[in-house]
Amino acid sequence: AQSVSQHNHHVILSEAASLELGCNYSYGGTVNLFWYVQYPGQHLQLLLKYFSGDPLVKGIKGFEAEFIKSKFSFNLRKPSVQWSDTAEYFCAVGEGSSNTGKLIFGQGTTLQVKP
Amino acid sequence: GAVVSQHPSRVICKSGTSVKIECRSLDFQATTMFWYRQFPKKSLMLMATSNEGSKATYEQGVEKDKFLINHASLTLSTLTVTSAHPEDSSFYICSALRLAGGLYNEQFFGPGTRLTVL
Repeated sequence: AQSVSQHNHHVILSEAASLELGCNYSYGGTVNLFWYVQYPGQHLQLLLKYFSGDPLVKGIKGFEAEFIKSKFSFNLRKPSVQWSDTAEYFCAVGEGSSNTGKLIFGQGTTLQVKP
Repeated sequence: GAVVSQHPSRVICKSGTSVKIECRSLDFQATTMFWYRQFPKKSLMLMATSNEGSKATYEQGVEKDKFLINHASLTLSTLTVTSAHPEDSSFYICSALRLAGGLYNEQFFGPGTRLTVL
């Protein structure tokens, strides 16, 4: 069965620090990859997605992620975080060859940015 | 992006009662919707896939008789928690799948419903 693993459960950074959140998945076929963010008290929002093409994907709010197929990874990065980036971050994987749209979510990473 | 709404946003009920949660896709039709449960500080756990005009597909370990799902139209799916108990208290999130051709299907999430069972 597919699984998604986020290595960092709780990350604390100071403003302007660089961010990298790890995401690994276990599935050998074609995948669709997503990063979602959930700000306190708000619903899930899509940060970025990868379907095909350039493995370096740029999303909203200065976030980017790189799909490394050989490592089954899709790590999220931001060069300089802001206090407003404090939120819960979820990596999710879907079967690219399937039309079900079903997603498997990672455990989530809590990011706390100190002003 | 597409908009998905949920109603109610928050509900408190007594143990033994049933609660219905609605999920609507406001600006696109969705033959497929998903229902998730999110525990505090935890990830989203997929409960079931709601299919318009047919029976829902439940994930392993989810009681289909307790969590009734109806997807009667292309824009509405409902989740009914029957005979709710305190352990059913949770944050329930729905999503609607917007089809864009094979590889490009994408889920859009509702704001969630906080259920508290007393």
